[in-house]
Amino acid sequence: AQSVTQLGSHVSVSEGALVLLRCNYSSSVPPYLFWYVQYPNQGLQLLLKYTSAATLVKGINGFEAEFKKSETSFHLTKPSAHMSDAAEYFCAVSEDTGGFKTIFGAGTRLFVKA
Amino acid sequence: ETGVTQSPTHLIKTRGQQVTLRCSSQSGHNTVSWYQQALGQGPQFIFQYYREEENGRGNFPPRFSGLQFPNYSSELNVNALELDDSALYLCASSFGGLGGDTQYFGPGTRLTVL
Repeated sequence: AQSVTQLGSHVSVSEGALVLLRCNYSSSVPPYLFWYVQYPNQGLQLLLKYTSAATLVKGINGFEAEFKKSETSFHLTKPSAHMSDAAEYFCAVSEDTGGFKTIFGAGTRLFVKA
Repeated sequence: ETGVTQSPTHLIKTRGQQVTLRCSSQSGHNTVSWYQQALGQGPQFIFQYYREEENGRGNFPPRFSGLQFPNYSSELNVNALELDDSALYLCASSFGGLGGDTQYFGPGTRLTVL
């Protein structure tokens, strides 16, 4: 069965500091993993995805994530936070064995302080 | 290229009523997925349609039903509305019906059940 755990419902960083948002997953088959960003009153925008190619995935807006099978983790990082990064971030896992299934984490709200 | 559009933007219904939400997929896409996002939570997968057939379903009761039309637009129908159905309903389109596909989300329909 799939599950996604995002550690920390709220993360606060200073502008220019490292951003680290944590995601752990479980899946009975090799997973597809995603990070999405959601700004207030908007839909979700894909930041990056892992589909069994390179374990270090680079996305938009300077974000990247590393797939670690041994740790069942897919943490999102950005070297230097910008005020415009303040938003809600969701990790998701999908599979398509016996039909499409996807689970989203509960989300992490990122605050960026000036 | 037209993105994913949803209608209506907002909707207010009373308990027991029925509602239909609509989604137009992005040009060239043949797959539509529907999600329910309650306030402060991550999206929950309702179901996916791939080339007019249901391709996967989450843990939602049968009163949540859907359709996909030959032009790949889609409808989500909810019967016998309950207060807990109040949420943002998101649709996402993609091509292929597979777990690793990139999904493009619409802005959502905000449903309030009184």
